[in-house]
Amino acid sequence: GQQVMQIPQYQHVQEGEDFTTYCNSSTTLSNIQWYKQRPGGHPVFLIQLVKSGEVKKQKRLTFQFGEAKKNSSLHITATQTTDVGTYFCAGIDYKLSFGAGTTVTVRA
Amino acid sequence: SQTIHQWPATLVQPVGSPLSLECTVEGTSNPNLYWYRQAAGRGLQLLFYSVGIGQISSEVPQNLSASRPQDRQFILSSKKLLLSDSGFYLCAWSASVNNEQFFGPGTRLTVL
Repeated sequence: GQQVMQIPQYQHVQEGEDFTTYCNSSTTLSNIQWYKQRPGGHPVFLIQLVKSGEVKKQKRLTFQFGEAKKNSSLHITATQTTDVGTYFCAGIDYKLSFGAGTTVTVRA
Repeated sequence: SQTIHQWPATLVQPVGSPLSLECTVEGTSNPNLYWYRQAAGRGLQLLFYSVGIGQISSEVPQNLSASRPQDRQFILSSKKLLLSDSGFYLCAWSASVNNEQFFGPGTRLTVL
């Protein structure tokens, strides 16, 4: 069955630095979604990527969908304390499957 | 606009007791509905999903069951809770399987 793997599991970042989290699927995906869960909160939808090679930006966040539609990445530039939380990717072939998430902490 | 409600927010139950968690959605019709469990510091495990009234698909064998008695109501139940049932239970809805999911505030369940 479909499996979505995310790395790294934990990311400790100095405020102001950049980082990237990666998402890989064992199968080709029709689309991929990214969510953010703040500590103590619930996941909130960030973005959906549909096209092969698609790149979308939301301020300091850049989302990319691989050419083969089997992987995706989220790159955050100039990390801020508001970026703290867990970022999940979720891939769809016939259903939505969530990765285990990357939990981000920020050192001020 | 659409709203999703879950209650209770927190729950502490003894082992062997029954469970009923309710989720309701407002502002949309015929939503796809989902129940997830999240263990502490872990990812989201899909437990059940429903594409319509009375239609329930179970993703993992377990001690829990789900029901959808009305279009916008989704209930998670157990007859006898286990310690391993502790976790953060999230209900979500989407317009279709390809659309983004909107999550409720969740219920933190502790089984003692």
